[in-house]
Amino acid sequence: QLQLQESGPGLVKPSETLSLTCTVSGGSISSSSYYWGWIRQPPGKGLEWIGSIYYSGSTYYNPSLKSRVTISVDTSKNQFSLKLSSVTAADTAVYYCASLIAAAGTSAFDIWGQGTMVTVSS
Amino acid sequence: QSALTQPRSVSGSPGQSVTISCTGTSSDVGGYNYVSWYQQHPGKAPKLMIYDVSKRPSGVPDRFSGSKSGNTASLTISGLQAEDEADYYCCSYAGSYTFWVFGGGTKLTVL
Repeated sequence: QLQLQESGPGLVKPSETLSLTCTVSGGSISSSSYYWGWIRQPPGKGLEWIGSIYYSGSTYYNPSLKSRVTISVDTSKNQFSLKLSSVTAADTAVYYCASLIAAAGTSAFDIWGQGTMVTVSS
Repeated sequence: QSALTQPRSVSGSPGQSVTISCTGTSSDVGGYNYVSWYQQHPGKAPKLMIYDVSKRPSGVPDRFSGSKSGNTASLTISGLQAEDEADYYCCSYAGSYTFWVFGGGTKLTVL
């Protein structure tokens, strides 16, 4: 059974870079059946897709965040990572990693990590 | 402002049915059959309930069903139960520039 777990600092200073890692267990990150994605949720608000990556390294970003986002994959560690630069208080949110089904004719975020709260504050 | 429009709240009594709408455009909901619905209980991660407009993942009760007409997708929950009280979010593929968009979420209250 595929499981995802986020890790990283819970507090980031304004203007610095937010860095999170998602560890995949119960399956291979190199599976052709999945993309891997990051989604965030500000306190009391809705969900926002940040970006996704394929094991080959192909990346897809939310146009509104693209200039500040980098997602990478480390197949040797079965992990993928998020970096968000120049953060402000508006980036305070629960950050989720999720698997994105990549089968032909099918697509959805089917397995989610538990989420990690990141606060941007000095 | 979310890309997809959902009612902020809906409610129903146990045993009744409720429908949550999700309105987009021909560039997202209307253009692709990649609409999914997620249930989120307070403090928990979202859970996939419906994908590809109307398909149910294994383990999701058949009380949950999805459909789409034009630019509007719908989630119907029949035989409401207390544990269905949660926030529900729709999501749609939106093409190779925007990729994925979510609705603003709907709070379901079971009276």
